Amino acid sequence: ETGVTQTPRHLVMGMTNKKSLKCEQHLGHNAMYWYKQSAKKPLELMFVYNFKEQTENNSVPSRFSPECPNSSHLFLHLHTLQPEDSALYLCASSQDPTGQETQYFGPGTRLLVL
Amino acid sequence: GNSVTQMEGPVTLSEEAFLTINCTYTATGYPSLFWYVQYPGEGLQLLLKATKADDKGSNKGFEATYRKETTSFHLEKGSVQVSDSAVYFCALTSGGSYIPTFGRGTSLIVHP
Repeated sequence: ETGVTQTPRHLVMGMTNKKSLKCEQHLGHNAMYWYKQSAKKPLELMFVYNFKEQTENNSVPSRFSPECPNSSHLFLHLHTLQPEDSALYLCASSQDPTGQETQYFGPGTRLLVL
Repeated sequence: GNSVTQMEGPVTLSEEAFLTINCTYTATGYPSLFWYVQYPGEGLQLLLKATKADDKGSNKGFEATYRKETTSFHLEKGSVQVSDSAVYFCALTSGGSYIPTFGRGTSLIVHP
């Protein structure tokens, strides 16, 4: 399998649940990203990992907890979420985060918090 | 800081019409400019890019020219198809930062 994959594609959870989103890239890239895409709002960068080290945390609430065990895998652990956290969560990767390289996106996980 | 401004949508066109989606930017240094497209139910994918002034990016009949004097990177296509219906995002990276700045996205709807 090639490209960036995300699982699950759809997730419904209650506010007291704990769940995790998974992202995997098969492109040999060094940087991975989590974005939140909400209706009628700009794309929001949440976290950036470069060579497994977190280099960006864009003031994201602590109920979102990222994990990057290696350069190919990225997780987003979710707990005690709020209904306003319902959105499409996109994972992306890039070869070399120097500003020139294209971002490759996964298909996203559509999250609904009840 | 960096910013990207796109025309608001939705843009609604008939098949074979000419398309322009405006994008202007502010950035430090010499940015690289990108257009991404998001088809329904999918993530974003790169459509085209340009890395220096006067470069023209092109792909699938779409074109955009990096205009430093007007700080613009407008997306054009001579004849749109129904299958071009999607959301289009203008983006840039600049100033030694690899964190991209995205515009709000412009929805394109093409009718048969």
